[in-house]
Amino acid sequence: QKEVEQNSGPLSVPEGAIASLNCTYSDRGSQSFFWYRQYSGKSPELIMFIYSNGDKEDGRFTAQLNKASQYVSLLIRDSQPSDSATYLCAVKGGGFKTIFGAGTRLFVKA
Amino acid sequence: GAGVSQTPSNKVTEKGKYVELRCDPISGHTALYWYRQSLGQGPEFLIYFQGTGAADDSGLPNDRFFAVRPEGSVSTLKIQRTERGDSAVYLCASSLTTGDTEAFFGQGTRLTVV
Repeated sequence: QKEVEQNSGPLSVPEGAIASLNCTYSDRGSQSFFWYRQYSGKSPELIMFIYSNGDKEDGRFTAQLNKASQYVSLLIRDSQPSDSATYLCAVKGGGFKTIFGAGTRLFVKA
Repeated sequence: GAGVSQTPSNKVTEKGKYVELRCDPISGHTALYWYRQSLGQGPEFLIYFQGTGAADDSGLPNDRFFAVRPEGSVSTLKIQRTERGDSAVYLCASSLTTGDTEAFFGQGTRLTVV
């Protein structure tokens, strides 16, 4: 079992729709959870982080965390073609190591 | 500097050769990470520095890989006796402190071993 699992996609949504990206993790001791966006040929950039169970909203983005289910998600409202990218879920435990998932490719159709 | 700088941006080397990849973090950032990313995969953790010391090197795949950060700023990732399987994008990231939430990534070095 991979430590951080994501559906590789591609996930295709029409412009203006809600894109829902999901991630599960295996280490119950994980404490910090991150979503990064990576455009093709570019380096990852942080979109959001979440530490506590529940929802965290930032503009069009909402991160959701359920530690009991070991599940974290990212919702993108009013999706734009510029949101088309690979979204990486990353998990950090009590140490320094951050484990990344393989990413979900999102395609927003204009 | 304004961001994390990695050099070279591309490196092609022959199997068996030695390579060095350089990372210049954001000024003042004490935490520095090296990752390796293969096509279609997420970044794979290699090593973490807090200051000059390697706090966690558990991700280094074998003893051909070594990294240093002698003055607590610039870091060099060194790969001996390169193999074709080492071909990947090597990413460096830095953050202000260990507990800082955001790590900023450099643009990476694309290593190709032929």
